[in-house]
Amino acid sequence: EDQVTQSPEALRLQEGESSSLNCSYTVSGLRGLFWYRQDPGKGPEFLFTLYSAGEEKEKERLKATLTKKESFLHITAPKPEDSATYLCAVQGDYGQNFVFGPGTRLSVLP
Amino acid sequence: DAGVIQSPRHEVTEMGQEVTLRCKPISGHDYLFWYRQTMMRGLELLIYFNNNVPIDDSGMPEDRFSAKMPNASFSTLKIQPSEPRDSAVYFCATLVQDYGYTFGSGTRLTVV
Repeated sequence: EDQVTQSPEALRLQEGESSSLNCSYTVSGLRGLFWYRQDPGKGPEFLFTLYSAGEEKEKERLKATLTKKESFLHITAPKPEDSATYLCAVQGDYGQNFVFGPGTRLSVLP
Repeated sequence: DAGVIQSPRHEVTEMGQEVTLRCKPISGHDYLFWYRQTMMRGLELLIYFNNNVPIDDSGMPEDRFSAKMPNASFSTLKIQPSEPRDSAVYFCATLVQDYGYTFGSGTRLTVV
């Protein structure tokens, strides 16, 4: 059975304090690993797709990396507006549905 | 495009009542998904459609839940009768290959 875990469950950072979020997964045949951002009262918003080990994607202060067992979302010099829940999801080779992790709730304090 | 549109945004109902949630997907997107999100269980897939045909409904928790997609621009998720444990945020989403899901804003359901 495909599984996704994320750590930490919650993270509090000072503005400018860089850190990383972890997503560990087991899946039969990875077609893609996705990162989403979710703000309170809204649906998850797409950030990145990663397909193979060694791949990296960047967007503003965020960089996502992928290995065969886990993905990291690195946040460099975060700002308060980066506060949100970050969700990781995997798509296996069996269909179109994704398996989501529980998320990491990030708070960036000014 | 206005994105995935869900209605209502909030629904409060009494136990035993029928609840219908609605979704208007993005035009041209062939896949439509219904997810449920709770603090305890996170995001769970309920059912998904491809070209209006249900493909996988293994996540539908009980016979009380049903979903339809009568055409490419409309889908419903119905709960009858509703129970307090059905309280959650229900999301509709469409899929774009390589870009993952585009989610609606969700319907927050409270069953009292």
